[in-house]
Amino acid sequence: AIQMTQSPSSLSASVGDRVTITCRASQGIRNDLGWYQQKPGKAPKLLIFAASSLKSGVPSRFSGSGSGTDFTLTISSLQPEDFATYYCLQDYNYPRTFGQGTKVEIK
Amino acid sequence: EVQLVESGGGLVQPGGSLRLSCAASGFTFSSYWMMWVRQAPGQGLEWVANIKEDGSLKYYLDSVKGRFTISRDDAKNSLYLQIDSLRVEDTAVYYCVRDSGSQYDVLDIWGQGTMVTVSS
Repeated sequence: AIQMTQSPSSLSASVGDRVTITCRASQGIRNDLGWYQQKPGKAPKLLIFAASSLKSGVPSRFSGSGSGTDFTLTISSLQPEDFATYYCLQDYNYPRTFGQGTKVEIK
Repeated sequence: EVQLVESGGGLVQPGGSLRLSCAASGFTFSSYWMMWVRQAPGQGLEWVANIKEDGSLKYYLDSVKGRFTISRDDAKNSLYLQIDSLRVEDTAVYYCVRDSGSQYDVLDIWGQGTMVTVSS
C-alpha cells in the first residue's frame, strides 16, 4: 500500500498567516491526490482534487500543488474558520490511503 | 438537497455483525461510485471500501476483506456495509461518501457518520 506522510502533524498559526502543509507519497502517484478539511465532530469536506483543482465554492485562499511524490496545500491568509485538521488522500491505486492529518491550531 | 444519511451503528460484541445503511437523496444515486470511510476515536481517516455505479466492481481495505461486504440498491437509493466478525479495532465512525469524479476521486458529499463500537 502507498504510504502518505504529512508534515507537520500539527502547527500553530495566527489569523492572516500563510500556512503550508506537505504530503509525501511513498511512490509516485502522478497528480492523483486530494485534500480534505475536517472540523471537530464533523464530516470531512473536499477542498482540492487532482492535486491542484479547487472544488467549486472553496475559497481561493486554498491552493494545492505538486505531482509525483511531493504535494503541498497552501492557505494564503489563514482565517478563523480554517482552524481544523487537514488530510491528503491518494487515489492513484487501491487501497486508497490518507495521510495521518495536520492539525492547524490558533497561536 | 443533496445528502447522505447513515444508520445502523451501535454497540456490538467482538465477533458480532452489523449492517450499516446509507440513504441518498437529492441526486441520481445510480450514477455515482460510492465509498465507506471510517475514523476511529481520536484518529485519522481510513478508506474502507468502494463500489462502482452498477455494483460490478468492489474494492476493500485488506484488513476488512472477507469480513465486510459493500453493496447497493439503486432502486432504494441506498448503500450498505455488512460488517461481520467484528473486532475491537473496527470501532469507529463510519462515513458514507459520494465520489463525483471520473478520472480522479472527488469525494464531494459525506454523510454525518454512524458510530460502531465493538466491546465486550
